Amino acid sequence: AQSVTQLGSHVSVSEGALVLLRCNYSSSVPPYLFWYVQYPNQGLQLLLKYTTGATLVKGINGFEAEFKKSETSFHLTKPSAHMSDAAEYFCAVSSNRDDKIIFGKGTRLHILP
Amino acid sequence: NAGVTQTPKFRVLKTGQSMTLLCAQDMNHEYMYWYRQDPGMGLRLIHYSVGEGTTAKGEVPDGYNVSRLKKQNFLLGLESAAPSQTSVYFCASRTEARVGEQFFGPGTRLTVL
Repeated sequence: AQSVTQLGSHVSVSEGALVLLRCNYSSSVPPYLFWYVQYPNQGLQLLLKYTTGATLVKGINGFEAEFKKSETSFHLTKPSAHMSDAAEYFCAVSSNRDDKIIFGKGTRLHILP
Repeated sequence: NAGVTQTPKFRVLKTGQSMTLLCAQDMNHEYMYWYRQDPGMGLRLIHYSVGEGTTAKGEVPDGYNVSRLKKQNFLLGLESAAPSQTSVYFCASRTEARVGEQFFGPGTRLTVL
């Protein structure tokens, strides 16, 4: 069975500050890990993914995430927050054997001016 | 390409009424999914399909039915709506080769009175 835990349902950062959104996963098979972003009144869109290979993955809009197997984590970071980053972010897990993907409950990112 | 489209965008039903939500994709994707999104609950999978003519239950299938008669369309039906089905419904699709990389529609906001 697979699961995802996102620490913090709401995170606030100042514009220009580091963004760090935390995600821990549980999986009995090698995981595929994803971050999705949802802007207000829109569907989700893929931000970045890890399947195999390089553990530091880069996504759109300057975001990146690092797969740490020993810590079962896949935290999302961005060096400098922008007002346009205000959205809800979902971590998700799947595997190469799965038809489905398991989403975390989401973290809403607030950017303070 | 329109991507994934959903019809209708908004709907208000009375308890006991029925309705069908339509999802259409023009990307020739094999897999299609229906989710519901509720505050604090993340996305929960209702039903999904791995190909034309196939359907399978997700995490919260009770009270819903689905059909995939054509590859590009995935219908979600509520036979007798209940207030607990008030939610935002999202459809998603993906190609078989790209596990976890789902393309989402804009959502349908359903209120059951």
